[in-house]
Amino acid sequence: QSALTQPASVSGSPGQSITISCTGISSDVGNYNFVSWYQQHPARAPKFMIYEGNKRPSGVSKRFSASTSGITASLTISGLQAEDEADYYCCSYAGGNYVFGTGTKVIVL
Amino acid sequence: QVQLQESGPGLVKPSGTLSLTCAVSGDSVSNSNWWSWVRQSPGKGLEWIGEIYHSGSSNYNPSLKSRVSISVDTSKNQFSLNVNSATAADTAIYYCARGSSWYTAFDIWGQGTSVTVSS
Repeated sequence: QSALTQPASVSGSPGQSITISCTGISSDVGNYNFVSWYQQHPARAPKFMIYEGNKRPSGVSKRFSASTSGITASLTISGLQAEDEADYYCCSYAGGNYVFGTGTKVIVL
Repeated sequence: QVQLQESGPGLVKPSGTLSLTCAVSGDSVSNSNWWSWVRQSPGKGLEWIGEIYHSGSSNYNPSLKSRVSISVDTSKNQFSLNVNSATAADTAIYYCARGSSWYTAFDIWGQGTSVTVSS
């Protein structure tokens, strides 16, 4: 199984919105509504941010939203803040296993 | 709250076996969740290794399946990872995580433990 494809980096100024794409194939993102997103700050464990493509668990800011269309999932961060600077990973269930994305570094200018 | 804590040797010799344990507190491994291992090589992304259910049923990353085994000990409320025939490519931070059946996602993570494969 190959990793889901994400852009290496995305940048934006404070207050702006940015979107991170996550492209899979028909046997993972395209076949299951089980895409999740994780935020990882340097030297920290990943943090669970989104599940089932577009749902936020309790405690996650409403500034984080997500969607899925076909084989591509997207994460949008609105009102970008300095604390949002981190690596972001998508992950898809793929029928008995999981595949992560390549990761995207979000840079707050 | 639910906490996961990895433990095990930080240094493994090439061709040896990498063995780690994840102790679970605040939840029971016998509940309706899957328990996973995820690793991150230096400067790289996350890689799912595999998962186990309290019944002993398991699933593995196809690329690692031949060298990996995950087991669960319900009496100690922990689960373990073995990676055989270790090479330098297995050098990574290893995380254990709860695979929530409610979310079909990894909602709780351990802090991670660094493992180096070197002679």
